[in-house]
Amino acid sequence: ILNVEQSPQSLHVQEGDSTNFTCSFPSSNFYALHWYRWETAKSPEALFVMTLNGDEKKKGRISATLNTKEGYSYLYIKGSQPEDSATYLCAFSDRGSTLGRLYFGRGTQLTVWP
Amino acid sequence: GAVVSQHPSRVICKSGTSVKIECRSLDFQATTMFWYRQFPKQSLMLMATSNEGSKATYEQGVEKDKFLINHASLTLSTLTVTSAHPEDSSFYICSANPRLAGVSYEQYFGPGTRLTVT
Repeated sequence: ILNVEQSPQSLHVQEGDSTNFTCSFPSSNFYALHWYRWETAKSPEALFVMTLNGDEKKKGRISATLNTKEGYSYLYIKGSQPEDSATYLCAFSDRGSTLGRLYFGRGTQLTVWP
Repeated sequence: GAVVSQHPSRVICKSGTSVKIECRSLDFQATTMFWYRQFPKQSLMLMATSNEGSKATYEQGVEKDKFLINHASLTLSTLTVTSAHPEDSSFYICSANPRLAGVSYEQYFGPGTRLTVT
């Protein structure tokens, strides 16, 4: 079992604050790194899939970076809004496993207060 | 985007009974679907890989005779929890990978099923 760690476990911020989360994963045999946004009672929503070292992706106020050599990824949310409240999951896939098989972190639960 | 449905969303059953959970890809075909479960305060953990037209591949420690997986078509996989016990109470969620030419990184998830065994 490959270990994926996310921090912090939970985060409470005020509306308008910017925030960031960390995901660390094994640096060997890297294939792809996924970020998902997961609201209660809904399907996890794919935010980003990153495959190349140094990748930076952006979607509105959310962006992510990837460092495959040291095995970490950051997710940033600029100007958090209450609707950003969700659990953010990081998942890693490696070259040795079945295509599509993901190893998940425990997630970071974000609460944005108005 | 691609949609995966899962049914039921919540089920309560008595110990010793069996429960079937369905996972459907609504607008794409999936040769492979994955079944995960999540215990409280834990991460999503892969239980098995469901392959259309062939036997499922189970992760170490997951009993294949207890968790029966059938991938009857390119859009449907079912997970049956047989002779359920309270320790099987968990959150079960499926994912599917679109069947595309070349490499596909995307994984689409269902909304999950909360199973409670009394």
